[in-house]
Amino acid sequence: QTVVTQEPSLTVSPGGTVTLTCASSTGAVTSGYYPNWFQQKPGQAPRALIYSTSNKHSWTPARFSGSLLGGKAALTLSGVQPEDEAEYYCLLYYGGAYVFGTGTKVTVL
Amino acid sequence: QVQLQESGPGLVKPSETLSLTCTVSGGSISSYYWSWIRQPPGKGLEWIAYISYSGSTNYSPSLKSRVTISVDTSKNQFSLKLSSVTAADTAVYYCARVGSMTWDYWGQGTLVTVSS
Repeated sequence: QTVVTQEPSLTVSPGGTVTLTCASSTGAVTSGYYPNWFQQKPGQAPRALIYSTSNKHSWTPARFSGSLLGGKAALTLSGVQPEDEAEYYCLLYYGGAYVFGTGTKVTVL
Repeated sequence: QVQLQESGPGLVKPSETLSLTCTVSGGSISSYYWSWIRQPPGKGLEWIAYISYSGSTNYSPSLKSRVTISVDTSKNQFSLKLSSVTAADTAVYYCARVGSMTWDYWGQGTLVTVSS
């Protein structure tokens, strides 16, 4: 069974920068896994942020960016705002099937 | 603006079949894939299945034996059936639109509790 692993939790100061990663148990993550990133706040549905590694939706704030980093998919938040405190999930495509990451709780403190 | 709305019973008895429908408004169900995702209370997201507007499907290997997904283009709806449910199937169920490798619009989610 494929497992997609994220950092359980990260803490960042307001205005700071934090990078979340997304690793696959099958090996290095490449663009062919079409990484998507989502933000979820308590009691809300997930909101799409990034698709196909680094593409932003029209509603995605400029401070969010996606990339590949050291064999993993990565989401970087630059100039973090208090409202960025949330759970973040990645999603990888495995040739017809999808697997969500374990999620990262980002605390802004 | 595309909107998705899940509907169905909020309570299902163990061993019975969970049935949910997602209604798409503000856009056509054609030309996209449509997916179901669930989230047990306090836990992470789990992909369940997706279907194209033409009816081609793909299922999570862990749920494949119990899941059926279908689409009704005339009603702009797609549906999920999960059989032989247990307490472990208690979750918030979401539907979502899948474009060209982009997941953009999601429903608000509906809580389904499995209990006698």
